[in-house]
Amino acid sequence: DAGVIQSPRHEVTEMGQEVTLRCKPISGHDYLFWYRQTMMRGLELLIYFNNNVPIDDSGMPEDRFSAKMPNASFSTLKIQPSEPRDSAVYFCASRRESKTGELFFGEGSRLTVL
Amino acid sequence: SQQGEEDPQALSIQEGENATMNCSYKTSINNLQWYRQNSGRGLVHLILIRSNEREKHSGRLRVTLDTSKKSSSLLITASRAADTASYFCATVSTGGGNKLTFGTGTQLKVEL
Repeated sequence: DAGVIQSPRHEVTEMGQEVTLRCKPISGHDYLFWYRQTMMRGLELLIYFNNNVPIDDSGMPEDRFSAKMPNASFSTLKIQPSEPRDSAVYFCASRRESKTGELFFGEGSRLTVL
Repeated sequence: SQQGEEDPQALSIQEGENATMNCSYKTSINNLQWYRQNSGRGLVHLILIRSNEREKHSGRLRVTLDTSKKSSSLLITASRAADTASYFCATVSTGGGNKLTFGTGTQLKVEL
């Protein structure tokens, strides 16, 4: 099993530019989560999907952030326009439908907005 | 917002010693999980304990849960240099849907 695959691993961009982060969950997993990790705020849940449908996006910081899951094997997190305070590591995680909820994380996308 | 607060924030021990990390949380939970994160990597699931369980073991890991105090501890016995990482507790709240909320983490350093 390839695990959760994220791209790019590193992204450096300038303020105002559009950023798109990509995630391929583990095949057969029903849930997909996007987290953001910073030193100041720790790990924050941004949004999660169940069977490709967004269930809870209350953690999405602003309208500049959007996430989609067009099919079971692909999700994107887009920031437009990006700002320096968006600099963080963005993680995608997936899991099966179960009562326990063990998450499988990707290696993360480190975003730096100059 | 952070559901769990880990204590201590940082811990440095010698190889072979035991490491104990504590986690406190705020709401009623369905289960509590512990994850490890090596520097620059994603989080890896270590162990899960359900709300009706008090203790669980997995290899060198021992987790306890006290729901009356809303706290959990993770004990790593006979630590190794490879255990150097950050450790996070995470909770699934009762009525919280499927959200897993992470604590602030403990940075563990195991020295040779």
